[in-house]
Amino acid sequence: NAGVMQNPRHLVRRRGQEARLRCSPMKGHSHVYWYRQLPEEGLKFMVYLQKENIIDESGMPKERFSAEFPKEGPSILRIQQVVRGDSAAYFCASSPPADTQYFGPGTRLTVL
Amino acid sequence: QKEVEQDPGPLSVPEGAIVSLNCTYSNSAFQYFMWYRQYSRKGPELLMYTYSSGNKEDGRFTAQVDKSSKYISLFIRDSQPSDSATYLCAMSGGNKLVFGAGTILRVKS
Repeated sequence: NAGVMQNPRHLVRRRGQEARLRCSPMKGHSHVYWYRQLPEEGLKFMVYLQKENIIDESGMPKERFSAEFPKEGPSILRIQQVVRGDSAAYFCASSPPADTQYFGPGTRLTVL
Repeated sequence: QKEVEQDPGPLSVPEGAIVSLNCTYSNSAFQYFMWYRQYSRKGPELLMYTYSSGNKEDGRFTAQVDKSSKYISLFIRDSQPSDSATYLCAMSGGNKLVFGAGTILRVKS
């Protein structure tokens, strides 16, 4: 049973470009979560999604960030017009309903 | 005040030592408690998961939860160099996890 998959593992963008991060949950998991880990900081919750629904986006910055989990395909975290402060590791986690979360390997975003 | 407090360390111990890692929290709504291990530049790996006060043991690892004191601990027996990593406590009242800052552990051979 493959774990949570994320791609790309490393992403380099210039300021003003768009970043798209993908997450495929574990088989049988219908819940997806995105977290951000800034250098020297802990993991911070961003958004919680189920298929075609955003359940909790209380941790998402108000501008430039969006997330989706379509009926078919992976969950996408999209960052528009990236700035240097967006440089971080972005982790996706998945879970079955009402159960604990398993994390993917992360995408390390570097904004030049 | 942060919702979850965790001493960042680093904590350095000799091989074979018993390691104690701790977190305190302020939110009484937290019902589920987890410990994750994170190696450098990797994703967090679930070690322990519990939802009640008391102890839970798995191999060399024991998780302890004291809800009345809002305090959780992870004990590692017979520590090995391969245990060197960052240990993250996490807790939840429902869906999203709230993490501590992580404690860096170094086990010297």
